[in-house]
Amino acid sequence: GAGVSQSPRYKVAKRGQDVALRCDPISGHVSLFWYQQALGQGPEFLTYFQNEAQLDKSGLPSDRFFAERPEGSVSTLKIQRTQQEDSAVYLCASSWDLAAYNEQFFGPGTRLTVL
Amino acid sequence: GQQVMQIPQYQHVQEGEDFTTYCNSSTTLSNIQWYKQRPGGHPVFLIQLVKSGEVKKQKRLTFQFGEAKKNSSLHITATQTTDVGTYFCAGAQVKAAGNKLTFGGGTRVLVKP
Repeated sequence: GAGVSQSPRYKVAKRGQDVALRCDPISGHVSLFWYQQALGQGPEFLTYFQNEAQLDKSGLPSDRFFAERPEGSVSTLKIQRTQQEDSAVYLCASSWDLAAYNEQFFGPGTRLTVL
Repeated sequence: GQQVMQIPQYQHVQEGEDFTTYCNSSTTLSNIQWYKQRPGGHPVFLIQLVKSGEVKKQKRLTFQFGEAKKNSSLHITATQTTDVGTYFCAGAQVKAAGNKLTFGGGTRVLVKP
């Protein structure tokens, strides 16, 4: 079956531009996670959703970052007024539910480059 | 906050040799997961350990969870070129409002044929 998909795969933005990154989780997965992965680093947690509810956004670096999942399926991560330090791969992952005992399925990521 | 450290950061291995990578958490974990990320790819789930002292094997890979549930290890025997990639451990803590994974920095494995 289809895995987690993300679009666009690559995004180049000029500093100060707003960007929107999309994640399509595996159908039926309740939990959805966003991570930021800098070059040579491990994924860093940004936020997660259970259905449409955003239960933890403690990892969002600043108020320029905003995530939503209005219908409990597709999610969008929006970054306003992008800065060079926002350059990274943004990974989306989904799992069956919120329990800690479920593997997370990752999408291919969106590589964001801010010039 | 919770921190997860992995050593070594890089592992150069001769094909056919064994090696071990280690993962240490600053806090007690409810469970630990291991992921593998191939160059240019995304993390792929390998295994989850839940019980104190648990040991699980997947062919040439052996995973162990420490007695205090604060550390873990991955041992690979008879390394093959297909083992190339970065291995991440990720610790989970169950909180009242939910849970999240904290990833280590990864061990990058290079295999010399």
